[in-house]
Amino acid sequence: GDSVTQMEGPVTLSEEAFLTINCTYTATGYPSLFWYVQYPGEGLQLLLKATKADDKGSNKGFEATYRKETTSFHLEKGSVQVSDSAVYFCALSEWSSASKIIFGSGTRLSIRP
Amino acid sequence: EAGVAQSPRYKIIEKRQSVAFWCNPISGHATLYWYQQILGQGPKLLIQFQNNGVVDDSQLPKDRFSAERLKGVDSTLKIQPAKLEDSAVYLCASSLVVAGVETQYFGPGTRLLVL
Repeated sequence: GDSVTQMEGPVTLSEEAFLTINCTYTATGYPSLFWYVQYPGEGLQLLLKATKADDKGSNKGFEATYRKETTSFHLEKGSVQVSDSAVYFCALSEWSSASKIIFGSGTRLSIRP
Repeated sequence: EAGVAQSPRYKIIEKRQSVAFWCNPISGHATLYWYQQILGQGPKLLIQFQNNGVVDDSQLPKDRFSAERLKGVDSTLKIQPAKLEDSAVYLCASSLVVAGVETQYFGPGTRLLVL
């Protein structure tokens, strides 16, 4: 079945460092790919998405490119801030009459000043 | 635009007791989901509604969990009786499809602790 694998955390970086959180997927069709973020005490928020190969999703300085050849959707940010501290979830969805999102296990990111 | 509303935000009960959670989706969103998120894991789908009909409840432990969505708007999720392993955050989401791509919007969740 479909699945998402993302790098284990926690990831701890200094402010202004470069961030990469790896995500790979397994799917039978052509899924849409998502990154969700969960700030402390809050619900999941959609961060960015990409719906087809080579699409780049971007938001709040974060980017991820849908790579079909490597089945990956790595999350990157050039300069992280303390406010980026959260748990990040990679996810996929295959559109069908009974579509559902499959989430990775999440990566906790902590940014120190 | 108002987001997905959930209540209560926190609940502490003893095992074998019953508990119910409520969700009000974003207006106009036909699809509603309930997820269970155990600490340190990603959300796991429990049940999906399309309007007031169930689309997928294959991962819902039906011996103790039940859910309904009367009138195709609000939804309730019930656990009866609760077990220790039900301690988790219960997330409700509603979704919108644009150009064939579905995007889910999540509520803040209800954090359940079973003692």
